[in-house]
Amino acid sequence: DAKTTQPTSMDCAEGRAANLPCNHSTISGNEYVYWYRQIHSQGPQYIIHGLKNNETNEMASLIITEDRKSSTLILPHATLRDTAVYYCIVRGDYNTNAGKSTFGDGTTLTVKP
Amino acid sequence: GAGVSQTPSNKVTEKGKYVELRCDPISGHTALYWYRQSLGQGPEFLIYFQGTGAADDSGLPNDRFFAVRPEGSVSTLKIQRTERGDSAVYLCASSRPTGVGNTGELFFGEGSRLTVL
Repeated sequence: DAKTTQPTSMDCAEGRAANLPCNHSTISGNEYVYWYRQIHSQGPQYIIHGLKNNETNEMASLIITEDRKSSTLILPHATLRDTAVYYCIVRGDYNTNAGKSTFGDGTTLTVKP
Repeated sequence: GAGVSQTPSNKVTEKGKYVELRCDPISGHTALYWYRQSLGQGPEFLIYFQGTGAADDSGLPNDRFFAVRPEGSVSTLKIQRTERGDSAVYLCASSRPTGVGNTGELFFGEGSRLTVL
């Protein structure tokens, strides 16, 4: 799986958009970008994933650059409960290779009142 | 249950002892993963099962660590001759069978916190 690079920490004001970047310059053509988050003392929780098109669900939006070497997770209206560690992962097509996902150390997002 | 269940939630043991950690995945999930997470770090992959067989055990740190999934459902992570460096949260995750519309999402349990004194 390709390696990802994320900032160690970020702050965001409550109610504002949180934009979390991820670099994955060695991503292969068949690798997807996944985002998870981990709230203290809980297991990681899936947020969203994408291949090359931008994606949106009820939790977040995922913007992937045209060259696919980086992406941004957007939490449109951050709340205090969004304070967590956010992990960006790249992995192959799950339906052909349901193998391991390699986590880095993630970005600690702190949402402040 | 509705989610991935891990027991015990906390385990304190002495150096040199044997430990078993159990994971009960979501019903119908064929893939099962074990991760280890030390304080301040992301989850570190240990082993992955597809059904009963270990499809990838490249993350097991040494031969003191072993995992089984005999019936393709519940899995047990076994640690022999525990060392203080084994102290961590051990996370289990499961995922749906491969197929159309599968997001590849991993569903994680709350983890088992192991402390080796």
